[in-house]
Parts: sequence; C-alpha cells; structure tokens
Amino acid sequence: GENVEQHPSTLSVQEGDSAVIKCTYSDSASNYFPWYKQELGKRPQLIIDIRSNVGEKKDQRIAVTLNKTAKHFSLHITETQPEDSAVYFCAASINSGYSTLTFGKGTMLLVSP
Amino acid sequence: NAGVTQTPKFQVLKTGQSMTLQCAQDMNHEYMSWYRQDPGMGLRLIHYSVGAGITDQGEVPNGYNVSRSTTEDFPLRLLSAAPSQTSVYFCATQGASSGNTIYFGEGSWLTVV
Repeated sequence: GENVEQHPSTLSVQEGDSAVIKCTYSDSASNYFPWYKQELGKRPQLIIDIRSNVGEKKDQRIAVTLNKTAKHFSLHITETQPEDSAVYFCAASINSGYSTLTFGKGTMLLVSP
Repeated sequence: NAGVTQTPKFQVLKTGQSMTLQCAQDMNHEYMSWYRQDPGMGLRLIHYSVGAGITDQGEVPNGYNVSRSTTEDFPLRLLSAAPSQTSVYFCATQGASSGNTIYFGEGSWLTVV
C-alpha cells in the first residue's frame, strides 16, 4: 500500500518568514495530494490540494508543488502569521472518483510573533 | 445544512464494553469513511464505504465493525473496547456534488480505561 513520509515533524519560524513542509510518497499510481491544517482540538481542514497533472498550485500565501518523477510534494507558506500555527498533514491517494487518504504523520508549525 | 455530524463528542468506556460512534451527513455524499488519529501517527483509515450496502476495510480495521444501510449514516461499532482503541475518531465524507473534496466531522474523543 501507499506510504507517506512527512518532514519535519516540528517547525518553528518567526512571523513573516516562509515555511516549507515536505512529503514523499511510495505509490506511483497516486494522483491526488491534499494538505490539511488542524488546529488544537479541531477537525482537519483542507487548505490546498494538487492533482498529478499539475506541477504547482497557489492560493494567496499558500502554494503546493509536486514532482511526480521524484514522488515528492511540498507545502510552502509565505509571510507566516501567528494564526498559521497548527499541525499540517499531507496525504496521498489514488483518486478514481473517490479517495481513501494515506496521511503523513504531521508537522507542528509554530509561528512566533 | 449541518454537513458531517458525529456523536458523541466525548466518551469514556471500560475495557470490554461495546459502543457505537454515529456519523450522519446531509450532503448526499456517496463516500464515507472512518479514520482514527493518534499522537504522532497522523490519521489512519479504519473502514470506508462507497455507497449504501457496500463497506470495505482500511489500514486498521481490527476491533471495529461498520454498516451502511442508508446514504446518510455510517456508524462505527467497537465490539469489545480495548485501551489501544483510545483515540480521536473522525468520520469523513466525499461526493461529486462537492468536487470530491473530503470533509471531516468534528471528531469523537474516546477513552478506554
């Protein structure tokens, strides 16, 4: 089955800096890669996703890049703010109409004012 | 429109007891699934369903049963609770009407003593 590795497990940055979280996956058939943000005690919320026919996708301060050859994808957050502090999860799946996600173990991002 | 509703939100069980976590959705999504979240482990798939009357096992199905008699409901049953089942449980739904984005319920915190 699919295996997703996520690094780093914790990341501390100063407000205004950029943050990068990286994930690798094992199943070359995976074609859907969402990123979730989870605040303490809350549910995971989708923040951005990318499909394998796209190399990069941006949404304001958030961007995701995908390298299918190397089987890795990354989340980039620019101009970080304290409210970006949360746990971020990457996931991968074979999306053939529905998806069962395989998650990375998460990255705790702490943005200090 | 409530989205995905999970009950109960918190539950304490004694070892050996059985219980059912309820999940209901009003988005007419075809696909529903259950994940458990443990510290440092990300989210892991327990069971999933692609439609009424159809269920299948995920990564960690042992100790759990599911059924899908209606499109709206997907209960998760713990047959004989064990301390290893102490976790946070998330129900998720996905459907073509929402662009196949996966939505999570608010979670159910279960402690087995």
